[in-house]
Amino acid sequence: KQEVTQIPAALSVPEGENLVLNCSFTDSAIYNLQWFRQDPGKGLTSLLLIQSSQREQTSGRLNASLDKSSGRSTLYIAASQPGDSATYLCAVEYGNKLVFGAGTILRVKS
Amino acid sequence: NAGVTQTPKFQVLKTGQSMTLQCAQDMNHEYMSWYRQDPGMGLRLIHYSVGAGITDQGEVPNGYNVSRSTTEDFPLRLLSAAPSQTSVYFCASRLRGGEAFFGQGTRLTVV
Repeated sequence: KQEVTQIPAALSVPEGENLVLNCSFTDSAIYNLQWFRQDPGKGLTSLLLIQSSQREQTSGRLNASLDKSSGRSTLYIAASQPGDSATYLCAVEYGNKLVFGAGTILRVKS
Repeated sequence: NAGVTQTPKFQVLKTGQSMTLQCAQDMNHEYMSWYRQDPGMGLRLIHYSVGAGITDQGEVPNGYNVSRSTTEDFPLRLLSAAPSQTSVYFCASRLRGGEAFFGQGTRLTVV
């Protein structure tokens, strides 16, 4: 079964701290991996998409890495801000299906 | 750019009632999917479609029907609503291998 796991389930950090969110997947035959942000009561917003042939993608203070062989991805957030507080979800594309992890709830304290 | 549009945003149903959740996208995406989101469980796939006329079941399909008569629209039908179907429902669209776009969600309560 294709499963996606995110650790930690919740994280609280002081403003300015660098942090790492983890995503692992059981089946390495992926097309791509995508990181999303979800604010309370809202839909999902795509942050970064990493194709299976890529090792990392960067957007501003965000950097996502992908290691297919070990079944892992990390989302690195530099110099965190209170506005980064949200739920972060990773999703793995297996051809026709997009399989999601349960998410990490991030709180950045000012 | 409308993206993915879901209607309604909120709905309260009585047990046994039926309804249709609407989803439309204007990006000519071949792939469309319906998910439900419950606390602590992430998004679970209900049904998906890889093109007009083609649909398939996801992880939690029981109690739901879909059809895809056009590229743009992918409605989700609840046949006989049950309290276990109380959830937030999201529709998504994408190209194969591409970025997924989500609607704003439908909050459904079944009493």
